[in-house]
Amino acid sequence: NAGVTQTPKFQVLKTGQSMTLQCAQDMNHEYMSWYRQDPGMGLRLIHYSVGAGITDQGEVPNGYNVSRSTTEDFPLRLLSAAPSQTSVYFCASSSLTSLPGELFFGEGSRLTVL
Amino acid sequence: GQQLNQSPQSMFIQEGEDVSMNCTSSSIFNTWLWYKQDPGEGPVLLIALYKAGELTSNGRLTAQFGITRKDSFLNISASIPSDVGIYFCAGRRGNEKLTFGTGTRLTIIP
Repeated sequence: NAGVTQTPKFQVLKTGQSMTLQCAQDMNHEYMSWYRQDPGMGLRLIHYSVGAGITDQGEVPNGYNVSRSTTEDFPLRLLSAAPSQTSVYFCASSSLTSLPGELFFGEGSRLTVL
Repeated sequence: GQQLNQSPQSMFIQEGEDVSMNCTSSSIFNTWLWYKQDPGEGPVLLIALYKAGELTSNGRLTAQFGITRKDSFLNISASIPSDVGIYFCAGRRGNEKLTFGTGTRLTIIP
């Protein structure tokens, strides 16, 4: 069972560069989301999607774009990376049949912006 | 955005000791959840609570949904080395998105 797969696991960028963090799930989950984890801040929601073609902003969306063209994939794009975006990023998914509040997380992508 | 305050921020205990941690909010939640993050991994759901006063166990873990609906507690009995990690609480009001706590980092001293 692959579950939620994130790539890459590690990435170093220079300020102003762009990149895409990939997220794929093989559980046919309707809901997918991106969080960032920073020391002392817990997990903060960046963007989420309740199905293909539908996306919405979370708590900290600035500087990030998302799209959901398929049920399986939910990429997160940084158009012009900034040092403030240095963080660990987690993709998470859930199903309408999951326990309320239950999220299935990927292993994370550690991003450093110099 | 709203934050949940977790206490303590970190704990250093010896194997076999019991652990207690809590999570408080200024707002009422109708769902409380506890997640654990192993080093280098994503968080995994441990326990979900859906009713004020509810007490739920999962092996050596016991969690409670506070009566005021503004707090929740997690206890781990007889800690073992694999309990090491970061424990996150999360709360939800209605159909709003989850709000996560700041985390409690548990370290076990040999």
